[in-house]
Amino acid sequence: NSKVIQTPRYLVKGQGQKAKMRCIPEKGHPVVFWYQQNKNNEFKFLINFQNQEVLQQIDMTEKRFSAECPSNSPCSLEIQSSEAGDSALYLCASSLMGRRVFFGKGTRLTVV
Amino acid sequence: DAKTTQPDSMESTEGETVHLPCSHATISGNEYIYWYRQVPLQGPEYVTHGLQQNTTNSMAFLAIASDRKSSTLILTHVSLRDAAVYHCILRDGGNEKITFGAGTKLTIKP
Repeated sequence: NSKVIQTPRYLVKGQGQKAKMRCIPEKGHPVVFWYQQNKNNEFKFLINFQNQEVLQQIDMTEKRFSAECPSNSPCSLEIQSSEAGDSALYLCASSLMGRRVFFGKGTRLTVV
Repeated sequence: DAKTTQPDSMESTEGETVHLPCSHATISGNEYIYWYRQVPLQGPEYVTHGLQQNTTNSMAFLAIASDRKSSTLILTHVSLRDAAVYHCILRDGGNEKITFGAGTKLTIKP
């Protein structure tokens, strides 16, 4: 069973507001992923980390999203100015290098 | 990036055996095939994975084609609890990239 903890489970924000969600990866996992999942169950990769360093991120993440994984603190994903199209399930996952990925239960963001 | 292709939906009946196909024609040599399942309001749950050989565990049997361009997840004696979206993904351990398809929604009838 996954031990990746995501908070909050649900988040409602108005357009233009900041939205921040947190993730505690499974203990000992150096790799952390963030994905956005839409209502069609399609996944969009956002960013991944190895320890505190960014490995890969997409353009959208660079411009409106910010993410970090500080040592001894939860990882976080923040949307600076929420848009209606950001409404989705945000999934955090962690793993050992090159091994099975464990997902959290997600944060359901609704932008009204 | 290598991609996976799965049928949008499949249906079965309790007690039956289900074969969930996945096509990954451009898979590279160092990519593992992983299967996850996901129910509403939850994150994906690991089912099984393999590289080249068929694998089996308490949840499912994974059959991998000899050319690795396709795989089939086989669920035996399915129950209502097996209803979920099943995702076939490729895991490249060399650069920590994961490629997702849209998944197959499996419906189980009583």
